[in-house]
Amino acid sequence: QVQLQESGPGLVKPSETLSLTCTVSGASISDYYWSWIRQPPGKGLEWIGRIYTGGSTNYNPSLNSRVTMSVDTSKNQLSLKLTSVTAADTAVYYCARRTDYMDVWGGGTTVTVSS
Amino acid sequence: DIQMTQSPSSLSASVGDRVNVTCRASQSISNSLNWYQQKVGKAPKLLIYAASSLQGGVPSRFSGSGSGTDFTLTISSLQPEDFATYYCQHSYTTPRSFGQGTRLEI
Repeated sequence: QVQLQESGPGLVKPSETLSLTCTVSGASISDYYWSWIRQPPGKGLEWIGRIYTGGSTNYNPSLNSRVTMSVDTSKNQLSLKLTSVTAADTAVYYCARRTDYMDVWGGGTTVTVSS
Repeated sequence: DIQMTQSPSSLSASVGDRVNVTCRASQSISNSLNWYQQKVGKAPKLLIYAASSLQGGVPSRFSGSGSGTDFTLTISSLQPEDFATYYCQHSYTTPRSFGQGTRLEI
């Protein structure tokens, strides 16, 4: 059974960098594309981007200059970094398997941007 | 970028009703359209992929149809556990994008 678990600081100060990890169990991250999605409080879903092992990435142009995704195959983990955060980046952040259709999701982690 | 528009934004229905939720893409996306269900405080759950393929474990009362720019999610007989928010999402190009959601209420 494939499981994904997001982790990271729940509170980030404005202008700082948000860093999250997604730990994958039950599947090798080398076998799939992986997606990051976020959901601001009370709002809809926003696709942040995707990554494939080997460094192939695609980011949402709305975040392109601030986003970096990477993988650690030794730990079977994905990571997301978002720089220069503002209150608008407050959201639940999800990782998900695949990018054509996202068939397995993590439970999400809430990140609040506030001083 | 491709924009996805769902209608209605909210919908009131009763147990046993047949319900349709529609999704329109700003350009043709062939059959690259997925549907998700999200309950409050939970992650989205994949229901339908490639417009009409039922994800494993999803009840057969859920079905999807459409191609090109217009798509429909149908729930044939609403059950109490179906009251949730539904999102469409295209996978035709990057960036992927979601519709704004349809909240299904009792």
